[in-house]
Amino acid sequence: EAQVTQNPRYLITVTGKKLTVTCSQNMNHEYMSWYRQDPGLGLRQIYYSMNVEVTDKGDVPEGYKVSRKEKRNFPLILESPSPNQTSLYFCASSSGDWGHTEAFFGQGTRLTVV
Amino acid sequence: GENVEQHPSTLSVQEGDSAVIKCTYSDSASNYFPWYKQELGKGPQLIIDIRSNVGEKKDQRIAVTLNKTAKHFSLHITETQPEDSAVYFCAARGTYQLIWGAGTKLIIKP
Repeated sequence: EAQVTQNPRYLITVTGKKLTVTCSQNMNHEYMSWYRQDPGLGLRQIYYSMNVEVTDKGDVPEGYKVSRKEKRNFPLILESPSPNQTSLYFCASSSGDWGHTEAFFGQGTRLTVV
Repeated sequence: GENVEQHPSTLSVQEGDSAVIKCTYSDSASNYFPWYKQELGKGPQLIIDIRSNVGEKKDQRIAVTLNKTAKHFSLHITETQPEDSAVYFCAARGTYQLIWGAGTKLIIKP
């Protein structure tokens, strides 16, 4: 089954404790992206990657890191989480340029930083 | 850069009635406008999209219209059913990414 898998689904952590949210897709997609979803703000892009070893900042990259060492994986790293990073996070992948092809989303990771 | 505004933020309709959600965009160069549906506890899923060379597109009970001159596009759902309850997002193509609206929570009243 074609899918984007995120882990964990739920995470509660403390301020400053490094964490990684994993994302894996099995569709051989080149494009992958991370979003955060906050009430009233919709989906805001954090980082995106157009291919292996090619990543770029989205609209809200501060406090986040990503890596793309393999085509299928695109982890999101929070080196020192803060309470304002409490949010619902989505990973997405696409076979081509975001502008013209369907984006497939994972189930989401609800992160709470206390 | 591109900016997308979506209205209303919440829409409540009687089952069987029609629902309309509207979005406006700022960049006249945008040429692709998808709509995504997000059900509770799930990620958004594409339901319909339209490109700038088309004015309207239909898929069973859903349709999207695009007015390039006015820079707005709308989602129309006819004969609404309980399973249409969800959050709907519009988006417009930016340079290398989609720019998203803030979302509309659609409530179908029995």
